[in-house]
Amino acid sequence: AQSVSQHNHHVILSEAASLELGCNYSYGGTVNLFWYVQYPGQHLQLLLKYFSGDPLVKGIKGFEAEFIKSKFSFNLRKPSVQWSDTAEYFCAVTYGGATNKLIFGTGTLLAVQP
Amino acid sequence: DTGVSQDPRHKITKRGQNVTFRCDPISEHNRLYWYRQTLGQGPEFLTYFQNEAQLEKSRLLSDRFSAERPKGSFSTLEIQRTEQGDSAMYLCASSSRQGNTEAFFGQGTRLTVV
Repeated sequence: AQSVSQHNHHVILSEAASLELGCNYSYGGTVNLFWYVQYPGQHLQLLLKYFSGDPLVKGIKGFEAEFIKSKFSFNLRKPSVQWSDTAEYFCAVTYGGATNKLIFGTGTLLAVQP
Repeated sequence: DTGVSQDPRHKITKRGQNVTFRCDPISEHNRLYWYRQTLGQGPEFLTYFQNEAQLEKSRLLSDRFSAERPKGSFSTLEIQRTEQGDSAMYLCASSSRQGNTEAFFGQGTRLTVV
């Protein structure tokens, strides 16, 4: 079955620490990959996306992600987190097909301590 | 605000009652999706419309659920004879048909069945 795994459910970091959130997807052929963020009380917003080309993708707010096809992974990174990065982060995948429905991971709740 | 709009934001209903939610997508988007999110989980796909045609329904969508998009613009999601297990956040998203594009999410309708 098509699925997405996020390994870290809760992460607590101090400001200026580096962040890496893991994401793996099940094999399913052609994929598009996304990271969405949900700040407290707000709707899901796109951080970054990968469709094709350079596997290192840069998104908003200093986030980046690397698509490693051989590992079915799309990990999210940020060199130095800020208190304002406190949010829930969701990795999501669409598999080849007309629907483009998103398959989401269970999310990672990030708390950044000032 | 030209984003995806959902109404109501919150709904509390007694078990057995019917509820209906509305979603207004971004105006030029012809794809519309409904997702359901429960505590500690990522959003789960429910159904998808391209214009007014409902092209895919998840097995999560029992016979008590029905969705419509009569004129290819706004959409409604109705739940009949609500059960406590229906308590969740119901999310609507829309996207453009043109190429690989991301989905934009509304703020959701939080349903509580008591």
